[in-house]
Amino acid sequence: DTGVSQDPRHKITKRGQNVTFRCDPISEHNRLYWYRQTLGQGPEFLTYFQNEAQLEKSRLLSDRFSAERPKGSFSTLEIQRTEQGDSAMYLCASSSLTDTQYFGPGTRLTVL
Amino acid sequence: AQSVTQLGSHVSVSEGALVLLRCNYSSSVPPYLFWYVQYPNQGLQLLLKYTSAATLVKGINDFEAEFKKSETSFHLTKPSAHMSDAAEYFCAVSNEAGTALIFGKGTTLSVSS
Repeated sequence: DTGVSQDPRHKITKRGQNVTFRCDPISEHNRLYWYRQTLGQGPEFLTYFQNEAQLEKSRLLSDRFSAERPKGSFSTLEIQRTEQGDSAMYLCASSSLTDTQYFGPGTRLTVL
Repeated sequence: AQSVTQLGSHVSVSEGALVLLRCNYSSSVPPYLFWYVQYPNQGLQLLLKYTSAATLVKGINDFEAEFKKSETSFHLTKPSAHMSDAAEYFCAVSNEAGTALIFGKGTTLSVSS
């Protein structure tokens, strides 16, 4: 069990560019979650998957955001046409069906 | 709708003193409650969780929390603070196991020698 991993750990981009983040969950965890955390705030839920099915999306997940988990293993979160307000830490977590969510180290996005 | 309120954005204690971090929740169904800790530039680590078993929950590093339904509270305590406990602490709630967590805004714990 190597834990949840996220790549990259840091991303700096210019406004208007597209970015993509990757999350590798703990092996055999069938649920995978994405959260966003801004400075001084708690994490906010974005979306989660059970295997490859996206079961819930927050209203925070605007049309510029898309998440996939094509084979029920790793997941990607893409942000199109980034805005300065997208600057945040993006956290991924995984769990078995009814168990605790285990978090990765996060990807810190800075939009200039 | 569920919500979590953490009273006190910043708590300061001396090394060896009692730690008390407050959390109140709002939920229309019996909640699942969690405390996570976050060190700078890291992800969240689970301290403990309440899932409708014993109301007094023991976690890692001598932390514990008590679920009080009448007060809708789930306060986190530790009898004796260590310097290494300095971090950000988050209380979270969900209404179903394995679904979205709703987090509070967090409490920063500072420990002085």
